Formats: sequence, structure tokens, C-alpha cells
Amino acid sequence: DTEVTQTPKHLVMGMTNKKSLKCEQHMGHRAMYWYKQKAKKPPELMFVYSYEKLSINESVPSRFSPECPNSSLLNLHLHALQPEDSALYLCASSRYLLAAHEPEPFNEQFFGPGTRLTVL
Amino acid sequence: KQEVTQIPAALSVPEGENLVLNCSFTDSAIYNLQWFRQDPGKGLTSLLLIQSSQREQTSGRLNASLDKSSGRSTLYIAASQPGDSATYLCAVTGANSKLTFGKGITLSVRP
Repeated sequence: DTEVTQTPKHLVMGMTNKKSLKCEQHMGHRAMYWYKQKAKKPPELMFVYSYEKLSINESVPSRFSPECPNSSLLNLHLHALQPEDSALYLCASSRYLLAAHEPEPFNEQFFGPGTRLTVL
Repeated sequence: KQEVTQIPAALSVPEGENLVLNCSFTDSAIYNLQWFRQDPGKGLTSLLLIQSSQREQTSGRLNASLDKSSGRSTLYIAASQPGDSATYLCAVTGANSKLTFGKGITLSVRP
């Protein structure tokens, strides 16, 4: 099973709402990622979790709050978003996080179908 | 800073044609290179991954090559079909598993 699932598929929220995006994988992967993708642009990395700990935060505004409750689940909590935050939010996973001292592995990233977020 | 370039941004070909999509990157210190397919409004589907020590990978009608020293990769699609119409993204993996993406090539295969 090489599937990453994301819920919901679509989300519309107001600027004062609080909502959460959910991502799940059952491949035994220990690295999980959140990306943001605007129309006709490549995905941009937001956060990376490694063994349920936040490893990378790409200077994302605090209105986005990630959480990794266990090795299979990744959440993205949203609060007080702006209309410019409307985008496709993609989750991905890989076996682990590469490190400079590790031998070269086959560490493919698998992506979910995304959540289309619209902020009104 | 790694930069990944995919040119042209869009390509339209008749069905049945063999085609080559190009990708170039500026920093050869990569762990691997992945080619992805993305349909409009959908997530990314991994097509092929080439480790930095490999020269090519094949999957069905797809063949990807990597020349790390020159910073180039190509995705070869044999006997293209209308169902191949999508955006193809190239991405290289650097430190901490960070993927750097190109802007993609939007392919249209005409029946």
C-alpha cells in the first residue's frame, strides 16, 4: 500500500474560523511533510516531521500549526487565515529523513491527493 | 541555492509521438531526482526516482535518465497517449530530504 490519504478534499472557511487538515499513511514511513501549492506553481515545503518530532519549519506563519500525534497521522491546524492562504495543501511521506552522513537510500516521497482550501 | 529549471513550460504533441521532457539543476550535490505527474487540481503521483549513483530508471513507457555531473535529467515518454496529458514536475532531493521542484511542463497529447 503506497497510499497517503488526506481529508477533507475541499474546505471553505472564514478568516475567523478554526479548522484542521488531516493526513494519514500506513506505509511505516517515519518522515511526513506538509506542502502548499498555489495555482500553476510548484509545491512549497512548509513543515517536516521526523519520528513524530518537528524537524523543519520553513518560516511558516503561526496561523498554521502542525501536529504529529503518532507515526501514521499528521494534522495541520488552521486559525485566523487570510484569503491569500487559499491553496492546495499537500501531505507527503517518506521512509525517513535523509541526513548528510547517511548512505544514499532509496527515499521516495509519496504525496496525498491534497486538500483544496478556500479562505473567504 | 538549488534551482531546478524545466523548459518549455508547455508542450503539445500528436498522439503516438515519442517525447522528451528536460530538467536541469544547478547544484549537483543531490541524493536523488524524482519525476512526478500532476493532473489539474490533484496531488502528485511519483513516476520514477533515480538515485544520484544511477544513470536511468524505467517504468513501462517511461524512462528517466540522470547526468548528475552536468545537472540534467530527461523523462522519455514512448508512444504518447491522450491520457498522458498532465503537468510533469521534476524535483531533486538535497539535505534533510528537502525537495526542490521545477515549475513543471504542462503536456497536452492531441488525439
